[in-house]
Amino acid sequence: GAVVSQHPSRVICKSGTSVKIECRSLDFQATTMFWYRQFPKQSLMLMATSNEGSKATYEQGVEKDKFLINHASLTLSTLTVTSAHPEDSSFYICSARDSETILPGETQYFGPGTRLLVL
Amino acid sequence: AQSVTQLDSHVSVSEGTPVLLRCNYSSSYSPSLFWYVQHPNKGLQLLLKYTSAATLVKGINGFEAEFKKSETSFHLTKPSAHMSDAAEYFCVVSFRKVTFGTGTKLQVIP
Repeated sequence: GAVVSQHPSRVICKSGTSVKIECRSLDFQATTMFWYRQFPKQSLMLMATSNEGSKATYEQGVEKDKFLINHASLTLSTLTVTSAHPEDSSFYICSARDSETILPGETQYFGPGTRLLVL
Repeated sequence: AQSVTQLDSHVSVSEGTPVLLRCNYSSSYSPSLFWYVQHPNKGLQLLLKYTSAATLVKGINGFEAEFKKSETSFHLTKPSAHMSDAAEYFCVVSFRKVTFGTGTKLQVIP
């Protein structure tokens, strides 16, 4: 099946610094990728939809200036957490949708997640 | 609008006994439905999906789910639980947008 990778898998940073997380589709092209956030013992919350070659679409309540998303190619999307604070500590998961599949309910393939800890 | 409800936040079964994880959904359209599993500190793995073909869907690791439109349900079952099945399970509904259920934590008692 389709594989999505994330890097890094775990990152610890100081408050005020910026952290970049990469999401790659390894064996398929993805015009659309999604970024989710998961707090401990909670479900995944969609943060934004990343579209190749255009601006990301953010969900209500998500600060676009704090969570910068870039989708420069069909296999790579990046999420940058700018000026990170302890409350940004979370598990960030990306997913990708195969560009060749156009049905509305097509499968999303998830990355393994990145655990961010801001001290 | 669409939503998904996982009726149990926590399910505990003995090893070798059946597993039932319940999921109900609502959607204005005919959505696709998925079950994902997440082991501790890991990403999500697709167990199975329903996309308007057969109503009984077989997935990996012996899991299956039955789509019942009249009951708007998509419950996940397995005849015999294994210790390695202990994880968090998410029911997901998708039509243009993906909506996750709140998750059910499955505990398997040896």
